[in-house]
Amino acid sequence: AQSVTQPDIHITVSEGASLELRCNYSYGATPYLFWYVQSPGQGLQLLLKYFSGDTLVQGIKGFEAEFKRSQSSFNLRKPSVHWSDAAEYFCAVVGNNDMRFGAGTRLTVKP
Amino acid sequence: GAVVSQHPSWVICKSGTSVKIECRSLDFQATTMFWYRQFPKQSLMLMATSNEGSKATYEQGVEKDKFLINHASLTLSTLTVTSAHPEDSSFYICSARELTGGTEAFFGQGTRLTVV
Repeated sequence: AQSVTQPDIHITVSEGASLELRCNYSYGATPYLFWYVQSPGQGLQLLLKYFSGDTLVQGIKGFEAEFKRSQSSFNLRKPSVHWSDAAEYFCAVVGNNDMRFGAGTRLTVKP
Repeated sequence: GAVVSQHPSWVICKSGTSVKIECRSLDFQATTMFWYRQFPKQSLMLMATSNEGSKATYEQGVEKDKFLINHASLTLSTLTVTSAHPEDSSFYICSARELTGGTEAFFGQGTRLTVV
């Protein structure tokens, strides 16, 4: 079955600084990859997704992610973080029939 | 995008009682719905996959007699936590995939269950 690893449990960045959240996946074929954001006590909001085509994907709120097959990675980036970006971020992969999530990365934004 | 509605948003119940959580796809038909459980500060763990008109497929370690899933129509799946205990307290999230295919699933807003 497919799996996802998010190596960083918690990241702290200053407001205005750039951000990169790491995601590595394991799946035998071409995966479908997603990034979600979750605020405390809330559901999930889709930031972006990759199915095929251009490996650099643009999402909402100024986020982008790049699919790198050679590294089995799908890292999320944002050039300038805003205080409202503080939340939990989940990378997910769809392989067989279901969606599996990484452990999540909690983002703290310093003023 | 497509909308998935989950109800209730939060529920408190007494130990030993049963609680039903509904997951509805509002503007699309969903052949497949997924139920996840999320403990505080942890990731979403897939509990089961349900397909309309057939029995749910449970992940290893999930008690199917404890967590009853029914997917009776293309727009509704329910999760019933039977004889709830405090350790069942958690955040439960459903997601639904469109009938017309595609791999994207749309998520409900989650249900916070507290068993006292």
